Amino acid sequence: EDQVTQSPEALRLQEGESSSLNCSYTVSGLRGLFWYRQDPGKGPEFLFTLYSAGEEKEKERLKATLTKKESFLHITAPKPEDSATYLCAVQAGANNLFFGTGTRLTVIP
Amino acid sequence: EAGVTQSPTHLIKTRGQQATLRCSPISGHTSVYWYQQALGLGLQFLLWYDEGEERNRGNFPPRFSGRQFPNYSSELNVNALELEDSALYLCASSLSPASPEAFFGQGTRLTVV
Repeated sequence: EDQVTQSPEALRLQEGESSSLNCSYTVSGLRGLFWYRQDPGKGPEFLFTLYSAGEEKEKERLKATLTKKESFLHITAPKPEDSATYLCAVQAGANNLFFGTGTRLTVIP
Repeated sequence: EAGVTQSPTHLIKTRGQQATLRCSPISGHTSVYWYQQALGLGLQFLLWYDEGEERNRGNFPPRFSGRQFPNYSSELNVNALELEDSALYLCASSLSPASPEAFFGQGTRLTVV
């Protein structure tokens, strides 16, 4: 059965304190791994797609990496506006996206 | 370019009633997905439509149903509403089944009282 596990569940950082979020997965035939950002009461906002181990994508203070078993979302020198829930999702075969439960990030000024 | 639009934004229904939620995908997108996000929980997959056909269904009872229209818009129907159906219902669209990046609308907040 496909599984996506995100850790930690919640993370509090001081502004400027870099850290990483983890997404580990067990799927058959991974087609892609996706990162989304979700603000409270809003729909998820697409961030990155990673397709193969070793791939990296960057956007502003965020960098996503992928291995054969997990993905990391690195946040460099975060700002308070980076506070949100970060969701990881996988697509296996020709199926729909399957989401993890997310990491709730709080960046304190 | 307009994103995924959902209506209504908020919906309040009484237990036992029916709710209809609507979604317009991004222009050119043929796949529409529905997810349920209960308070404090992750996104649970409900339904996937493409080219008017149901492609996949999540582990939800049959009272959750939907359809996709020829213009690729979609609606989600929830019959015999229960209190536990209160959640944020999210619609997403993608260019096609072969193009997996899904873009989400802002959701419909359904409250069952």
